[in-house]
Amino acid sequence: EAGVVQSPRYKIIEKKQPVAFWCNPISGHNTLYWYLQNLGQGPELLIRYENEEAVDDSQLPKDRFSAERLKGVDSTLKIQPAELGDSAVYLCASSPTMGGEAFFGQGTRLTVV
Amino acid sequence: GDSVTQMEGPVTLSEEAFLTINCTYTATGYPSLFWYVQYPGEGLQLLLKATKADDKGSNKGFEATYRKETTSFHLEKGSVQVSDSAVYFCALSGDNTDKLIFGTGTRLQVFP
Repeated sequence: EAGVVQSPRYKIIEKKQPVAFWCNPISGHNTLYWYLQNLGQGPELLIRYENEEAVDDSQLPKDRFSAERLKGVDSTLKIQPAELGDSAVYLCASSPTMGGEAFFGQGTRLTVV
Repeated sequence: GDSVTQMEGPVTLSEEAFLTINCTYTATGYPSLFWYVQYPGEGLQLLLKATKADDKGSNKGFEATYRKETTSFHLEKGSVQVSDSAVYFCALSGDNTDKLIFGTGTRLQVFP
């Protein structure tokens, strides 16, 4: 069974440019998460979806970040415009139910120059 | 708010040495506790978990016991291998939520 798939694996952009990350969760997993991992730190939750509904987006910087999960399957995370401080690894995870084990993708490493 | 504190790395050991990575937590109620591992170039993987006090999680020779009295969940392995070299994250999820709160991670380096 395929795990959580994220693309791209790496992205380098200039500041003020937009960028988007894509996540395909494990089939049948209703819960999807986006985490941000800064260098040398643990992941921090940005947003959590139950199916297509964002049930916890309190940590998402809504002035420049947006996310969607159309049809309750794939999800995209967008930053517009990107800032130097957004350089980090963006992790997607999914779980079959709320409270179930979270399975993580390999992440997208973003570098803003 | 809830938080996790784990020992800073890197932890450097010779093969077959005993491993302890300390983890303590602050949380209200009765959180679930986890250890995740991140091997080079791979995503985070759940290593083990414990959902209530005195539970012991175990996997691949690693163990951790949920100690409510000391608010700790220390990771141990009796004999490490080179292949155990990775970054280990302690995490919790609080009552009525599945939001994971992670520690900063501890890098383990095992040399032959």
